[in-house]
Amino acid sequence: NAGVMQNPRHLVRRRGQEARLRCSPMKGHSHVYWYRQLPEEGLKFMVYLQKENIIDESGMPKERFSAEFPKEGPSILRIQQVVRGDSAAYFCASSLFQGQETQYFGPGTRLLVL
Amino acid sequence: DQQVKQNSPSLSVQEGRISILNCDYTNSMFDYFLWYKKYPAEGPTFLISISSIKDKNEDGRFTVFLNKSAKHLSLHIVPSQPGDSAVYFCAASAGETSGSRLTFGEGTQLTVNP
Repeated sequence: NAGVMQNPRHLVRRRGQEARLRCSPMKGHSHVYWYRQLPEEGLKFMVYLQKENIIDESGMPKERFSAEFPKEGPSILRIQQVVRGDSAAYFCASSLFQGQETQYFGPGTRLLVL
Repeated sequence: DQQVKQNSPSLSVQEGRISILNCDYTNSMFDYFLWYKKYPAEGPTFLISISSIKDKNEDGRFTVFLNKSAKHLSLHIVPSQPGDSAVYFCAASAGETSGSRLTFGEGTQLTVNP
């Protein structure tokens, strides 16, 4: 009965390094969403994926950020050459279907860029 | 362009009384609305949702009201308990037209005093 799992929970990187955030959706869920919460702000949509497909990446910065959801394994959000402004909490959510469907969130990964 | 707004950053109520959290939206394409509760260092937890074809949905102590003409929804918690103290986020989606991504408000910090 596991919920959405994310790891690591905390990640510290120096400027210019790469950050890899992983998300395993709830069992049976094939829709995955990534959101970012900057300090003192609400959550902002980044990308929506189904297995092996990116459906909507309109919220993701054009450079340095990429996401995937392979046929096997977790979804990965990858940030290359991190900068201090990337410091935030990154949340993954999953749903059973799309449309009017509840999204269930993981505990988040808190990224700190030094 | 903030499409979902929670104008009260904080709310304080006495235990046993009613808590009313408000949310306004501007996008008339939104057709599904959700409330999440969030504790520090955790992911958002789903509370209750409502489809645009309804004007009220109730689940235990939580009731959500939707006024489409005013583009306004509210969450009522009765009776309020100290464990309800958390940040509450209102979220909305436009279903098929937006691939189900959620647009969040900035959140309201609810404090329930014993």
